[in-house]
Amino acid sequence: EADIYQTPRYLVIGTGKKITLECSQTMGHDKMYWYQQDPGMELHLIHYSYGVNSTEKGDLSSESTVSRIRTEHFPLTLESARPSHTSQYLCASSAAGTSEAFFGQGTRLTVV
Amino acid sequence: SQQGEEDPQALSIQEGENATMNCSYKTSINNLQWYRQNSGRGLVHLILIRSNEREKHSGRLRVTLDTSKKSSSLLITASRAADTASYFCATDAPGGSYIPTFGRGTSLIVHP
Repeated sequence: EADIYQTPRYLVIGTGKKITLECSQTMGHDKMYWYQQDPGMELHLIHYSYGVNSTEKGDLSSESTVSRIRTEHFPLTLESARPSHTSQYLCASSAAGTSEAFFGQGTRLTVV
Repeated sequence: SQQGEEDPQALSIQEGENATMNCSYKTSINNLQWYRQNSGRGLVHLILIRSNEREKHSGRLRVTLDTSKKSSSLLITASRAADTASYFCATDAPGGSYIPTFGRGTSLIVHP
């Protein structure tokens, strides 16, 4: 059982609102990731971090931002949500020197 | 762009049959992994095969890797209804980044 948690599991929010999706892991992993998953299943890497104070953009351009102030915490923020942000957001982590990733349960975001 | 492409996109079989899914990728890899995703949930790591390995087994799972063809296959033997899920391959590039990049996935339905 992976010790990585995402909250909320589901979020329905109005256009223009600021939202933060939370992700925490208790495994002490250095690397953390955010993936966006379309209804047709494909996962796109939108952000990743190698450790505290390290954040990088992924392959898919995203209007979201992330921060990594603590090893265990990697929140994702949307300053002004739009319907185009409706998707499932998956957080994951892995230890240094490996790409084996542990995933949270995901946050399904709907912007109306 | 995504590194891995799974084939077929969807597979429907009867319980007891074997299921084979394929993954092709474009550039050199360090490792290749297979993950499973139950509907609406996070991904679960199944197996990792290194670029210098050709075959790996784990229970009813058998993974092969052909680096000359840039392809991998996942075989699930004696499938069960509980194997119904989406299956993804993920690769990470040589150079030590260890960032997993996912393909589109294969949706497997096993009928009881």
